[in-house]
Amino acid sequence: QKEVEQNSGPLSVPEGAIASLNCTYSDRVSQSFFWYRQYSGKSPELIMSIYSNGDKEDGRFTAQLNKASQYVSLLIRDSQPSDSATYLCAVIFTGGGNKLTFGTGTQLKVEL
Amino acid sequence: NAGVMQNPRHLVRRRGQEARLRCSPMKGHSHVYWYRQLPEEGLKFMVYLQKENIIDESGMPKERFSAEFPKEGPSILRIQQVVRGDSAAYFCASSPGLAGQPQHFGDGTRLSIL
Repeated sequence: QKEVEQNSGPLSVPEGAIASLNCTYSDRVSQSFFWYRQYSGKSPELIMSIYSNGDKEDGRFTAQLNKASQYVSLLIRDSQPSDSATYLCAVIFTGGGNKLTFGTGTQLKVEL
Repeated sequence: NAGVMQNPRHLVRRRGQEARLRCSPMKGHSHVYWYRQLPEEGLKFMVYLQKENIIDESGMPKERFSAEFPKEGPSILRIQQVVRGDSAAYFCASSPGLAGQPQHFGDGTRLSIL
């Protein structure tokens, strides 16, 4: 059973701080990793995709991938109250077709 | 709107009725995926389709659920003889043809069973 694990939170950070969200996965050879943001009652919104080891930056967001340790993380700099949402880590496992396997999500609360 | 279109947004059915959920992929996308999100649970894969083909249905319940993506028209997720446990948000996503590409989600259909 290929799995994606996330701490459910809630993770509380003050406005302007860096929020760090972590995700581990069970298959060392997986190639495709994604972070989605989901506001309550809404659909998942793609934030970042990452495919190779290292960091990938997009605005205030940085995704970090370490395939040897089987983890992927998302950093949110200068956190804003509007960032308060559930962040979903998703993996396309090698040999598993093109389907996304999601973690249960980490709830982030950015406090004023 | 060039995004993934799902309808209806909300659907109410009584136990034993049929539910039909529709999804039109993003323009230029030929791959469609259906996911289900039960209350307080994570998103679970159900089925992956291309035009006129079911590629992977490993997440579909064996009974009452079916999906299609015809040559013309939207993809349909059909649930026959609905039960209370089918109440959930059903999301459709689409992607271009290449493996590993990001999937973009529609707004979902919230299905409620009375």
